[in-house]
Amino acid sequence: AQSVTQPDIHITVSEGASLELRCNYSYGATPYLFWYVQSPGQGLQLLLKYFSGDTLVQGIKGFEAEFKRSQSSFNLRKPSVHWSDAAEYFCAVGAYSGGGADGLTFGKGTHLIIQP
Amino acid sequence: DGGITQSPKYLFRKEGQNVTLSCEQNLNHDAMYWYRQDPGQGLRLIYYSQIVNDFQKGDIAEGYSVSREKKESFPLTVTSAQKNPTAFYLCASSIFGQGNSETQYFGPGTRLLVL
Repeated sequence: AQSVTQPDIHITVSEGASLELRCNYSYGATPYLFWYVQSPGQGLQLLLKYFSGDTLVQGIKGFEAEFKRSQSSFNLRKPSVHWSDAAEYFCAVGAYSGGGADGLTFGKGTHLIIQP
Repeated sequence: DGGITQSPKYLFRKEGQNVTLSCEQNLNHDAMYWYRQDPGQGLRLIYYSQIVNDFQKGDIAEGYSVSREKKESFPLTVTSAQKNPTAFYLCASSIFGQGNSETQYFGPGTRLLVL
């Protein structure tokens, strides 16, 4: 069975500073990887995804993530954070069988706090 | 506007009562999913359906039931057998099939509280 670990429960970053959120996964085949963001009391918004090809993927809101197979990691980065980036961030891995998705396995999330 | 709607936004359940959460999508997506979110626990898969009239149990299906009679609708019933139903419930949908189309999009969620 697949699993996702987000080692940091909370991260505090100063506005304008760079950000890296860690994600490690366990999956027997080629993983399909996602980062989602959630504001309080809201649904999840897709930031970016990796299916194949270039291991550095660009997403919305200036975010990027790099897939490293050797480290089983898919870390999310942003060069300069804004106060509006404060939210909960979830990494997820997708399992597929019979040509369709069986659902996503999520990490427990990282709560990002932005200091002025 | 295309999207996923969930209703109600807040739902209250009494002891021994079954309640049903609504999820509707007009994205023409084939697959639909239900997740449960608890504080500090991330999201966990309850049920999913890849096509109409077919669905599979996820990781925490006990105490829940679903139906998929129409492509655009995937209601979730929280039965009295679910002893700890207080949580935030999220519905998602995706196009069926591997590749770039296999991305899940989420609704705004329903918060279920026990009276």
